[in-house]
Amino acid sequence: SAVISQKPSRDICQRGTSLTIQCQVDSQVTMMFWYRQQPGQSLTLIATANQGSEATYESGFVIDKFPISRPNLTFSTLTVSNMSPEDSSIYLCSVDGSRQGGNTEAFFGQGTRLTVV
Amino acid sequence: DAKTTQPPSMDCAEGRAANLPCNHSTISGNEYVYWYRQIHSQGPQYIIHGLKNNETNEMASLIITEDRKSSTLILPHATLRDTAVYYCIVRVARVGGYQKVTFGTGTKLQVIP
Repeated sequence: SAVISQKPSRDICQRGTSLTIQCQVDSQVTMMFWYRQQPGQSLTLIATANQGSEATYESGFVIDKFPISRPNLTFSTLTVSNMSPEDSSIYLCSVDGSRQGGNTEAFFGQGTRLTVV
Repeated sequence: DAKTTQPPSMDCAEGRAANLPCNHSTISGNEYVYWYRQIHSQGPQYIIHGLKNNETNEMASLIITEDRKSSTLILPHATLRDTAVYYCIVRVARVGGYQKVTFGTGTKLQVIP
């Protein structure tokens, strides 16, 4: 299993500013995933972060807007840059971990609820 | 694109079984069916997964059709705490075998007293 801690849990930010979200995992993992969940919507993958290489972004998401760091195997940050009210969402960190029997399971943090005013 | 189709919402009386369907007609031979749920303001939580056999754990049962094109998650005795959005996902289950997980819209289950 994996325990994921995200900081902050919520924040209210002024438009035009940036917010960095931290994700700490209690075990070493190769890949970390960042999702966005807009109000009333499902989860959308933003990017995949591998340690030692640049993050891989999904269609519609760019590094200038959502820069990601992955300094080691247990930690990652996602920055939401030059925020606008449209960026108001829950941002979630996720990792894959092993379940009993060898299969994988996705573990999620509790999310960061961002409101941009 | 999402690989699964679920009804957007369902109601279930407290104490009754909740049966949540999912269609995954394009599932590949090495893909498992996973179910997660998201209680309001929390991160998604794993419920159960299976390949082709029916599975049961302390939370739920998973029934997968023989052709694997659909499945049903069963909460045998729904409680108010089971009110959540339930996501059906198909993905490979091998650790290290990265595959982008695409979430569909899920089913919002409302358990009614």
